[in-house]
Amino acid sequence: DTEVTQTPKHLVMGMTNKKSLKCEQHMGHRAMYWYKQKAKKPPELMFVYSYEKLSINESVPSRFSPECPNSSLLNLHLHALQPEDSALYLCASSQGAPLGSYEQYFGPGTRLTVT
Amino acid sequence: GENVEQHPSTLSVQEGDSAVIKCTYSDSASNYFPWYKQELGKGPQLIIDIRSNVGEKKDQRIAVTLNKTAKHFSLHITETQPEDSAVYFCAAPRGGSSASKIIFGSGTRLSIRP
Repeated sequence: DTEVTQTPKHLVMGMTNKKSLKCEQHMGHRAMYWYKQKAKKPPELMFVYSYEKLSINESVPSRFSPECPNSSLLNLHLHALQPEDSALYLCASSQGAPLGSYEQYFGPGTRLTVT
Repeated sequence: GENVEQHPSTLSVQEGDSAVIKCTYSDSASNYFPWYKQELGKGPQLIIDIRSNVGEKKDQRIAVTLNKTAKHFSLHITETQPEDSAVYFCAAPRGGSSASKIIFGSGTRLSIRP
C-alpha cells in the first residue's frame, strides 16, 4: 500500500480564519513533506520532517505552521493567509534516512482558496 | 544548487506512437532521477526512477535513460494510450545527493490523440 491521504480535499477560507490541513500515511515512512503547487507549475517544497522533527523549512512565511504529532501524521496549520496562498497543497512521504529510499509518494492534495 | 530544465512543455502524439520527454540537470553530484505523472485533480504519482549507476531502466511501456556525461535523462513512453494523457515532471535531488530535497522540472503536458 503506497497511499498517502489528505483532508480536506477542498478548503475555502477567509484571510482572518485559522484552519488546518491533515496528512496521513501508514507505510512506516519516517520522512514527510509539504509542497505547494500553483496552477500549471511544478510542486515547490515547503517543509520536511524527518523522524518527527522539522529538518527543512524552505523559508516559508510564519502564517504556515507545520506539525508532526507522530510518525504517521502531518498537519499544516494556516493563519492569516493571503489570496496568493491559494494553491494545491501536497503532502508526501518517503522511507527516510538511514535506510535511504529516495522514492516520495504523494497524496491527492488539498485545493485551498483564500478569499 | 541543482537546476532542472524540461522539454517540451507540451507534446501531442497519435495513439500508439511513442513520446519522449527530456530533462537536463546541472549538478554532477546528483544521483537519483524520478519521473512523476500528474493527472488532473490528483497528486503526482511516481512512475519510474533511475539511479546514477545505471544507464537505462524499463517498466513495461515506460523507460528512462540517463547520460551522466551530458547530464541529461529522458522518459520514453511506447505504444501510447489515452490514459497516458497527463502532466509529466522530471526531478533531481537539490543539493547533489540529498534525498530529502528534490527539484522538479517545469512539466510536460502530454496529450494522446485518438
